[in-house]
Amino acid sequence: SQKIEQNSEALNIQEGKTATLTCNYTNYSPAYLQWYRQDPGRGPVFLLLIRENEKEKRKERLKVTFDTTLKQSLFHITASQPADSATYLCALVGAGGTSYGKLTFGQGTILTVHP
Amino acid sequence: DAGVIQSPRHEVTEMGQEVTLRCKPISGHDYLFWYRQTMMRGLELLIYFNNNVPIDDSGMPEDRFSAKMPNASFSTLKIQPSEPRDSAVYFCASSLREDGTGELFFGEGSRLTVL
Repeated sequence: SQKIEQNSEALNIQEGKTATLTCNYTNYSPAYLQWYRQDPGRGPVFLLLIRENEKEKRKERLKVTFDTTLKQSLFHITASQPADSATYLCALVGAGGTSYGKLTFGQGTILTVHP
Repeated sequence: DAGVIQSPRHEVTEMGQEVTLRCKPISGHDYLFWYRQTMMRGLELLIYFNNNVPIDDSGMPEDRFSAKMPNASFSTLKIQPSEPRDSAVYFCASSLREDGTGELFFGEGSRLTVL
């Protein structure tokens, strides 16, 4: 069955360090992968999208990589700040079949950046 | 634009009662999605609409759940009768494109508690 796994439920780092979050998937042929941020009591907010033929995408302090061979995406936040503390969700969009067009989310990783 | 608007933000009801959740998507967005979020299962897609027409309702848990979109600016998700296991946060999201290249804009969610 299709599965999306995000590494560890929680990640704690010190301010200024780089946070690296992992999204692994199995039995999937994603066309696109998206990352969202969710704050407590709020809806998810879109951050970045990366296509299957793209290796890397950047936006300010954010960087996403997508390795379809390893079936993995890495999400990096450089020079992390306490304001980056939130839950980060990866979401995959299927390339075909019954999963086409559906955005399926991972369970999320809770990131806490300590001052 | 005010974003995706959901109501009510919180709903507490007793088992067996009917629950109606409401959503107003962003004007001009052709796609509307209903998701449910729980600690155990994360974010699950329930149903989505394109131009007011339901496209995929395979995520709707059972016949107690129904969703409608009578016009481009309004959708409802109804649970009748409600059960304690329906307790969750229900999110509505809208998008310009459903094939994954467009970001999803989420509302703030409706937190449902069924006693």
